[in-house]
Amino acid sequence: AQKVTQAQTEISVVEKEDVTLDCVYETRDTTYYLFWYKQPPSGELVFLIRRNSFDEQNEISGRYSWNFQKSTSSFNFTITASQVVDSAVYFCALSEARSGGGADGLTFGKGTHLIIQP
Amino acid sequence: KAGVTQTPRYLIKTRGQQVTLSCSPISGHRSVSWYQQTPGQGLQFLFEYFSETQRNKGNFPGRFSGRQFSNSRSEMNVSTLELGDSALYLCASSLPRSYEQYFGPGTRLTVT
Repeated sequence: AQKVTQAQTEISVVEKEDVTLDCVYETRDTTYYLFWYKQPPSGELVFLIRRNSFDEQNEISGRYSWNFQKSTSSFNFTITASQVVDSAVYFCALSEARSGGGADGLTFGKGTHLIIQP
Repeated sequence: KAGVTQTPRYLIKTRGQQVTLSCSPISGHRSVSWYQQTPGQGLQFLFEYFSETQRNKGNFPGRFSGRQFSNSRSEMNVSTLELGDSALYLCASSLPRSYEQYFGPGTRLTVT
């Protein structure tokens, strides 16, 4: 069975600080996909990034960066120079590959509530 | 392009009643998945529909069911509501053989 653990329930930092959200996953599949979603107070989940199990390249998108390490089964998310608008709940998720293409239903972590104080 | 829409946004029902929630996917998306979000259990996968067929199912009792129409719109039904069914129900759509799911704003169901 697959599992995603986000050990940090809540993180509070002051604006402009860097912050890293941790994600550790478990799966027996060799092909799987990892995701990060953002859930602002409005409730809608916003897709941030997808990573394939066979691609360990780190990725940077503006102030966001992701570090994927298969050796430690981790997929951590860093926000550089945080802003108040980054305040939200962030979810890490895992999906196993489906034969015929695409991915199965997402298994989510419990989420990390990120609070950016002005 | 319009996003995923869900109706109604808020719903209050009484224990024992049944409820139907609706989801309209992004145009061109033929896969629709449903998730339940509660403070205690977090986000849990309910089921997925593709081409009017249930393709995948999570670990929920048979009181939770769904269907998909030929225009890819989907409905989920919960019968004999229990207090524990109070949750935010999220619908997500994706392209065939795609990996990214795009979520709607959810339906907040309260069971009293």
